[in-house]
Amino acid sequence: EAGVTQSPTHLIKTRGQQVTLRCSPISGHTSVYWYQQALGLGLQFLLWYDEGEERNRGNFPPRFSGRQFPNYSSELNVNALELEDSALYLCASSSGLNQPQHFGDGTRLSIL
Amino acid sequence: AQSVTQPDIHITVSEGASLELRCNYSYGATPYLFWYVQSPGQGLQLLLKYFSGDTLVQGIKGFEAEFKRSQSSFNLRKPSVHWSDAAEYFCAVGPNNNAGNMLTFGGGTRLMVKP
Repeated sequence: EAGVTQSPTHLIKTRGQQVTLRCSPISGHTSVYWYQQALGLGLQFLLWYDEGEERNRGNFPPRFSGRQFPNYSSELNVNALELEDSALYLCASSSGLNQPQHFGDGTRLSIL
Repeated sequence: AQSVTQPDIHITVSEGASLELRCNYSYGATPYLFWYVQSPGQGLQLLLKYFSGDTLVQGIKGFEAEFKRSQSSFNLRKPSVHWSDAAEYFCAVGPNNNAGNMLTFGGGTRLMVKP
């Protein structure tokens, strides 16, 4: 069974640019979660999508947004990139509410 | 609000020695509890989970954890550490209700294994 897949693995952007990260969940999983792992800040919850709808959002500005497609894959968009957005962005999926979340290997975003 | 504390930032053990990683949580009710492991450059791998029932849970790679409600703890143990266990370990708590479904993580414990 294929795990959670994320693309790209690495990205380098400059301040003010926009970026899109992609995530494909485990087959059969309907929920997708996004987390940010920044140096010194730990793992922080960003967004939760389920059945195509945004269900919950962490304490991040509106320039962090995303969507979930009918096939349950998801995109995370970050506009007006800032230096502090440099981080590993992790996507996870689960088969439903309160089920274990399984993580992909992440996208490492570097802002110059 | 829920929170998780992992008191030890770094731990070094000798190969073959036993291991215990500490995790304390703050939550209003019985939470869902998880341990994940992250190797360098990789994502998080689920080691084990506690939802309810038996307070001693077994996971993959020979790990186990014990839920102690009175101490608000969920410590991870392994009887004999292997060099391949060197990684960063995260304890996480999830809400046992319909209020958001996100995980709150501890700061992590980096495990180093001496030969």
